[in-house]
Amino acid sequence: DAMVIQNPRYQVTQFGKPVTLSCSQTLNHNVMYWYQQKSSQAPKLLFHYYDKDFNNEADTPDNFQSRRPNTSFCFLDIRSPGLGDAAMYLCATSVLGQGAINYNEQFFGPGTRLTVL
Amino acid sequence: AQSVTQLDSHVSVSEGTPVLLRCNYSSSYSPSLFWYVQHPNKGLQLLLKYTSAATLVKGINGFEAEFKKSETSFHLTKPSAHMSDAAEYFCVVSLGTYKYIFGTGTRLKVLA
Repeated sequence: DAMVIQNPRYQVTQFGKPVTLSCSQTLNHNVMYWYQQKSSQAPKLLFHYYDKDFNNEADTPDNFQSRRPNTSFCFLDIRSPGLGDAAMYLCATSVLGQGAINYNEQFFGPGTRLTVL
Repeated sequence: AQSVTQLDSHVSVSEGTPVLLRCNYSSSYSPSLFWYVQHPNKGLQLLLKYTSAATLVKGINGFEAEFKKSETSFHLTKPSAHMSDAAEYFCVVSLGTYKYIFGTGTRLKVLA
């Protein structure tokens, strides 16, 4: 089955120690997203890629970076994790909509739960 | 500007009774709307989507939603709740080519 895969499912890191989360997809979608979701909140968009074009949200901290080496893979790098970065990180994919209205849904991975000690 | 409002942060129902989760949107034109479900420590799963083809949309697991333009609503319903329906539900509106706006979520609790 076509899907979005995230590894690892659970990640524990130390305060200030860089960490990388990975996402892969078999859907061949041209858009990939990274969201941060804290407890009992809606997902918050960090950035997205349209093919190789990177788009950062204005309020995404500089501490967060991303790489997309090819269509299938996308990585989230947290350079110096703080306690406030503990959250669920969700990867999603979609097909870019055409025109003013996008009827294409997002497909989500299972998420990576990040704990910062 | 487009936005989405989920009117209830928590909803409790008894097993076997109907479910109603409310969502209102604001849009300058006919929107694209989605309902997702999220179980604890899991990703989001699409329940259904509105694509303008039909105002009553049927989704998975017995859920359906009705698009009402006059009321700017897209409420999610299910005739009979099951224990496995207990989860967080998000109403989402598409902003156009790639961006989606999430409602704040409704936590559904199903009582035995």
